[in-house]
Amino acid sequence: DVKVTQSSRYLVKRTGEKVFLECVQDMDHENMFWYRQDPGLGLRLIYFSYDVKMKEKGDIPEGYSVSREKKERFSLILESASTNQTSMYLCASKAGGEKLFFGSGTQLSVL
Amino acid sequence: ELKVEQNPLFLSMQEGKNYTIYCNYSTTSDRLYWYRQDPGKSLESLFVLLSNGAVKQEGRLMASLDTKARLSTLHITAAVHDLSATYFCAVAPPDSNYQLIWGAGTKLIIKP
Repeated sequence: DVKVTQSSRYLVKRTGEKVFLECVQDMDHENMFWYRQDPGLGLRLIYFSYDVKMKEKGDIPEGYSVSREKKERFSLILESASTNQTSMYLCASKAGGEKLFFGSGTQLSVL
Repeated sequence: ELKVEQNPLFLSMQEGKNYTIYCNYSTTSDRLYWYRQDPGKSLESLFVLLSNGAVKQEGRLMASLDTKARLSTLHITAAVHDLSATYFCAVAPPDSNYQLIWGAGTKLIIKP
C-alpha cells in the first residue's frame, strides 16, 4: 500500500519560532510537493522538488524554504513562523504526470 | 494564467437525488483530476481525465471532460450519505508536469 507520511498531525508554535514539517514517501517517486490548504482557497503550492537537492518555487514560497537531501524525504521549513502561516499543510508525491498521493496533513497553529 | 472555478462551492442534497458539480478552467489543458477529501482527512484521487470526451465512472460518481468547452463535470447519481465530502478539481497547465491549479472545492452534504 502506497504511503506518504507526515510527521505531525497537529502542531502549535509561537510567532518567531523555526518550524520543521517532515514528509516521507515509500513509492520511490521523483516528485514531491508541499501545499497549504485554507478554507475557500483550495490548495496552493508552496514548493516542489523533482529530484534530490532540486527544488522549485510554487505560487506562495515567501516565508518558507524546503530541503530534499534524500529521495524519500521532503522537508518544509518556516524560518520564523507568523500567525498568517496558520494553515493545513499537505505533502504529496507523484511519479511523472501521474496522480498525486497525499499525506494526512499537518494542522499548524501559530500563536 | 490558468484559473479554475468550481461551482457550486456548497451543496446540500437529499439521499437518492442526482446532481452535478462543475469545473471550468480558463486556458488549454489536457489533464484534469478530481479528488475527494473527507472532513479532517487528506485528499484521495478519484479520476484522471486525459483527453477530450473522456468519461470515467466509479460507483455513483461519473466524471467527464470537454476540453473545447474547458469544462469537466462530476455527476452524482442517487446520492448516498457516504458520498458527503469536499470534492476538488485540479487542472494541469499545458507546459508543466509538476504544477496543478486547484479549484476551491465543493463541499457536499448528503442528508439521509
